[in-house]
Amino acid sequence: GQNIDQPTEMTATEGAIVQINCTYQTSGFNGLFWYQQHAGEAPTFLSYNVLDGLEEKGRFSSFLSRSKGYSYLLLKELQMKDSASYLCAVMDSNYQLIWGAGTKLIIKP
Amino acid sequence: GAVVSQHPSRVICKSGTSVKIECRSLDFQATTMFWYRQFPKQSLMLMATSNEGSKATYEQGVEKDKFLINHASLTLSTLTVTSAHPEDSSFYICSARSASGGLQQETQYFGPGTRLLVL
Repeated sequence: GQNIDQPTEMTATEGAIVQINCTYQTSGFNGLFWYQQHAGEAPTFLSYNVLDGLEEKGRFSSFLSRSKGYSYLLLKELQMKDSASYLCAVMDSNYQLIWGAGTKLIIKP
Repeated sequence: GAVVSQHPSRVICKSGTSVKIECRSLDFQATTMFWYRQFPKQSLMLMATSNEGSKATYEQGVEKDKFLINHASLTLSTLTVTSAHPEDSSFYICSARSASGGLQQETQYFGPGTRLLVL
């Protein structure tokens, strides 16, 4: 079956760095997405990786290793507004998105 | 770019009535639109995938006669919850995937969601 695993919850301190991991097993691979979802709101697109390596976009970076079925989202210089759920999703061979359950990130002052 | 709107943002209705939710891609043409449902503290659940001009593809366990989807144009899809019941109360979110090439073609952009409460 298809499976996306990410931690349920993480806590970090304002100004620090946090890495949210995602491992996946899917039928085919057409890219991995990270979305941010604040409580009560819809997800917003953060990043897309389809090739191995690190993609940097401001304070956020996303890494992919296709051979290991592994990705991480790195958040630097954490701000209180980064408190949200972070969703990992993989596009399978049918171009369908398979969603992880999300990681709730709690930022403490 | 890549803005998706959804209307209404909130709706309260009586049990047995029907509710229509609209999803529009404002600055791009969407070949495919998706409808999700999310219960509190749970992940997104894909309900159906709709392609412009063709019938929607429903996920297992989703009643197509209860959740009517119409994707009449490249910028508009509607979800109608027919004969709504309290258990249909949820956060309904649409997303749209672009018809153009490149990254935008693969990325789903989400509408702001519609919170439905059935009394």
